[in-house]
Amino acid sequence: QSALTQPASVSGSPGQSITISCTGTSSDVGGYNYVSWFQHYPGKVPKLMIYDVTNRPSGVSNRFSGSKSGNTASLTISGLQAEDEADYYCTSYTSSTSWVFGGGTKLTVL
Amino acid sequence: QVQLQESGPGLVNPSQTLSLTCTVSGGSISSGTYYWSWIRQPAGKGLEWIGQIFTSGSTTYNPSLKSRVTISIDTSTNQFSLKMSSVTAADTAVYYCARRVGGTSNFAYWGQGTLVTVSS
Repeated sequence: QSALTQPASVSGSPGQSITISCTGTSSDVGGYNYVSWFQHYPGKVPKLMIYDVTNRPSGVSNRFSGSKSGNTASLTISGLQAEDEADYYCTSYTSSTSWVFGGGTKLTVL
Repeated sequence: QVQLQESGPGLVNPSQTLSLTCTVSGGSISSGTYYWSWIRQPAGKGLEWIGQIFTSGSTTYNPSLKSRVTISIDTSTNQFSLKMSSVTAADTAVYYCARRVGGTSNFAYWGQGTLVTVSS
């Protein structure tokens, strides 16, 4: 299985909105509503931000939202804050009954 | 509050078998509909899903690692384990255990991660 495709980096200024894409195929992202997004600070534990494409776990800021169109899922962060600067990973269920991650996106807050 | 903690050798010789255990506390590993996963991250690289096990013992593995990986569960000790054979330097990574809610992509609970280095 091939890793999902994410941009290597995105950036934005405080207060702005950014979107991170996660592109797969009809055998993973496009075929199931089982896409999650994680925020990962280097050396720390990945934190679940979105699951099942659009659901936000309790305690996660509503500035984070998820969506999907076709084979591409997206994570949008609105009202960008300095603390949002981190690596972000998507993952999706696959037709092989396994899970595949994206390569990760480094978010820089300018 | 569920907590997961990885344990095992931090150094493994090339061609040998990597063995890690994840101890679950704050809840029974056999209660609920949960899948117990192993995920790794090589230095400077992204996350990679290794495999998972259900309470029943049913397993699913990453196709690219399937020939070398075995995940098992011990409900009496509230632990699940990872064995990866014939390791090489490419298997050097931080290894995490995690819990996923069945029927969802909710991987809410993760261990702190443990660094395993493959080197002689």
